[in-house]
Amino acid sequence: SQQGEEDPQALSIQEGENATMNCSYKTSINNLQWYRQNSGRGLVHLILIRSNEREKHSGRLRVTLDTSKKSSSLLITASRAADTASYFCATVSGSARQLTFGSGTQLTVLP
Amino acid sequence: GAVVSQHPSWVICKSGTSVKIECRSLDFQATTMFWYRQFPKQSLMLMATSNEGSKATYEQGVEKDKFLINHASLTLSTLTVTSAHPEDSSFYICSASQDPGTGELFFGEGSRLTVL
Repeated sequence: SQQGEEDPQALSIQEGENATMNCSYKTSINNLQWYRQNSGRGLVHLILIRSNEREKHSGRLRVTLDTSKKSSSLLITASRAADTASYFCATVSGSARQLTFGSGTQLTVLP
Repeated sequence: GAVVSQHPSWVICKSGTSVKIECRSLDFQATTMFWYRQFPKQSLMLMATSNEGSKATYEQGVEKDKFLINHASLTLSTLTVTSAHPEDSSFYICSASQDPGTGELFFGEGSRLTVL
């Protein structure tokens, strides 16, 4: 079953703008991860943030985690057309090693 | 990063036939692999956890006799969709963990199954 929801479901922006996606989850987590999926392809791991971390950066990506609100955000700065893809958050909870995915955000970056 | 290979990338079959999908970890050993199913424009739903040398653990609502999983080695897990029907048409994705402690998974490119 899905851990939570992502919003927006779809986001369309112009190249160069920033894109922010939000993820909410339901249970306590060990870590939260963001993945990217191009249409019809597998998933690519973007970034992992642990439950005791509040913010993490990787290149043009910035992830925040608020465990009190059970939410996370992914910010992509200076977006490019090549960033067009679906973005999923996924959580790992307890002793489980499997990921539970959110509903995903479809990002379209217009050139 | 670690590489996970899935084969075939797409398959079309007739209703009633069985289809086998392979998931290989190419440069690392994976004691555990995961099988997901994804319908168009939807998220990934975990089907089962494949454990090397033991029986797979299936999620609620997933028929174990319908979706046979075999994890015979540390680098290979297979998913067999038995007696496939059109409603089994979907995108099947496997993943494996190089380091269970990190929780980071590496995903295959997925296998698109179309049952006619």
